[in-house]
Amino acid sequence: QPVLTQSSSASASLGSSVKLTCTLSSGHSTYIIAWHQHQPGKAPRFLMKIEYSGSHIKGSGVPDRFSGSSSGADRYLTISNLQSEDEADYYCETWDRVWVFGGGTKLTVL
Amino acid sequence: QVQVVESGGGVVQPGGSLRLSCVASGFTFSSYGMHWVRQAPGKGLEWVAFIGYDGSREYYEDSVKGRFNISRDNAMNTLYLQMHSLRVEDTAVYYCAKGELKDSWGQGTLVTVSS
Repeated sequence: QPVLTQSSSASASLGSSVKLTCTLSSGHSTYIIAWHQHQPGKAPRFLMKIEYSGSHIKGSGVPDRFSGSSSGADRYLTISNLQSEDEADYYCETWDRVWVFGGGTKLTVL
Repeated sequence: QVQVVESGGGVVQPGGSLRLSCVASGFTFSSYGMHWVRQAPGKGLEWVAFIGYDGSREYYEDSVKGRFNISRDNAMNTLYLQMHSLRVEDTAVYYCAKGELKDSWGQGTLVTVSS
């Protein structure tokens, strides 16, 4: 089954941009992934689905500041004009009869 | 609006059983597969189980196979997770999520397995 690799942490300044990476394991580079945001004490939130081509479909109400892209086995989540409320854990996931999450990236907004 | 609300969590001894429920509203429940996902203290999200829209497909994470059973009642718009032979490592917040993409999540219910 696929394995997803994420950096454990990232940080960026208020108003700047950050690009989070999710890497699919060998043999799974064409898989679709999804990004979810999880703020402490809140329900997780679906952000978007990203295909191998880079095309992505966002969840309802997700701001335009959030965008997705793809390159080979890497899937990216870019957040522009960072706001304090973007400070959260970000998880990618994929599926192949079972569902797999990456370890998550803790984003700190400085 | 779309909403899923979990309940049924609590404290249970190792080896015990518990049934979680998730009541859905704001969408046609019978048209969507549903997931259970958990988060242990200090850990990341872990997928637990999935059931197809009509209950004909079920998939489980390896560590819960044979101990947990996912089911649904489409007439009652309710998803269930029956958990048996609970272990300390099953301690987590359990979330239900709508659809194969998990495009809507609940707030979760805490399950604590402890003697």
